[in-house]
Amino acid sequence: DSGVTQTPKHLITATGQRVTLRCSPRSGDLSVYWYQQSLDQGLQFLIQYYNGEERAKGNILERFSAQQFPDLHSELNLSSLELGDSALYFCASSVTGSREKLFFGSGTQLSVL
Amino acid sequence: SQQGEEDPQALSIQEGENATMNCSYKTSINNLQWYRQNSGRGLVHLILIRSNEREKHSGRLRVTLDTSKKSSSLLITASRAADTASYFCATALGNTDKLIFGTGTRLQVFP
Repeated sequence: DSGVTQTPKHLITATGQRVTLRCSPRSGDLSVYWYQQSLDQGLQFLIQYYNGEERAKGNILERFSAQQFPDLHSELNLSSLELGDSALYFCASSVTGSREKLFFGSGTQLSVL
Repeated sequence: SQQGEEDPQALSIQEGENATMNCSYKTSINNLQWYRQNSGRGLVHLILIRSNEREKHSGRLRVTLDTSKKSSSLLITASRAADTASYFCATALGNTDKLIFGTGTRLQVFP
């Protein structure tokens, strides 16, 4: 158990809908990362937050947004969903950032039908 | 696009043999990390090597880093069936806090 909690584990929805994925980092970790993993795109970095502030941005679509709350949990919002958004979404946390190892959650499997 | 490219894409070996995976990257880094992923599950950190280090060991794992060639290798010695998984390198870019993953190597170890 990595100590990082992601909910829900599975999500099935329809095109055009909006979903929210939730992540609780390990106790004491201030940094949260979001990744998208699919067969054709591999493991793509989406966005990183540190202590409530956005610190680094990757290949995140404009339809996607994220935030980190004062209690350090984070949410990834995906809207106007398309079939191609079906993927495994991972959250990871670390104390400060990429200067040390990340701890990954078990992921949310999103299926857009 | 991926920062790291891994080679080979897939590797099949027998238990007891050594497995070597290579990672090449494009830009300057602060550190390079290796992770393991069992099918469809979360990634698990294996080892981190900083840009000023050349070699690091952890149990049956040996990692090398050549910053002049922008490449790293992961050696797993005396492999076991339980080592069957996908292995990813990840680079912490020098001027940001991004951690970018490579394409991965699928390792199959046969008993």
